[in-house]
Amino acid sequence: DSGVTQTPKHLITATGQRVTLRCSPRSGDLSVYWYQQSLDQGLQFLIHYYNGEERAKGNILERFSAQQFPDLHSELNLSSLELGDSALYFCASSPGQSQETQYFGPGTRLLVL
Amino acid sequence: EDKVVQSPLSLVVHEGDTVTLNCSYEVTNFRSLLWYKQEKKAPTFLFMLTSSGIEKKSGRLSSILDKKELFSILNITATQTGDSAVYLCAVGPYNQGGKLIFGQGTELSVKP
Repeated sequence: DSGVTQTPKHLITATGQRVTLRCSPRSGDLSVYWYQQSLDQGLQFLIHYYNGEERAKGNILERFSAQQFPDLHSELNLSSLELGDSALYFCASSPGQSQETQYFGPGTRLLVL
Repeated sequence: EDKVVQSPLSLVVHEGDTVTLNCSYEVTNFRSLLWYKQEKKAPTFLFMLTSSGIEKKSGRLSSILDKKELFSILNITATQTGDSAVYLCAVGPYNQGGKLIFGQGTELSVKP
């Protein structure tokens, strides 16, 4: 157990809908990272927040947005969902904002029907 | 475009064998290379390498980085069935926050 928690574990929804994925980092960690893992793309970096501020962005779709709250938990919002958004979404955390070991949560498996 | 390539993509061995997993990269402003193990759930951290030629070791697992030739290897000796997993290599560049660029992974299956 890495100490990173994610909810929900599974999510089934329909195309066009909007969902929110939640992540709580390890105690003391200020950085939160979001990744998407699909069979054909592997693990893809989406976005990095440090202490409430966006630090880096990957190939995150415009339909996706994220934020990190004052209590350091983070939410990833996915809207206008498409079948291709079905994937495993991981959150990771680390103490600082630079290159450090990232500890991954258990993931949220999203299925869009 | 930055990329990380792992080989082989899959590997089947028997318990007791030694395996070598490869990771090559083309990443602008390389800062660090990390190895993770994924067993149908969250990736778990194994090693982080930043300097060339220094071997990191943990039990039967070891890894080394060659920054000149832009690759890393992960060695597992005396493999056990519990080593069966996908092994992921990731590279972190400078000036891109905490972004990690992952390879496709090597799926290792250890047969009894």
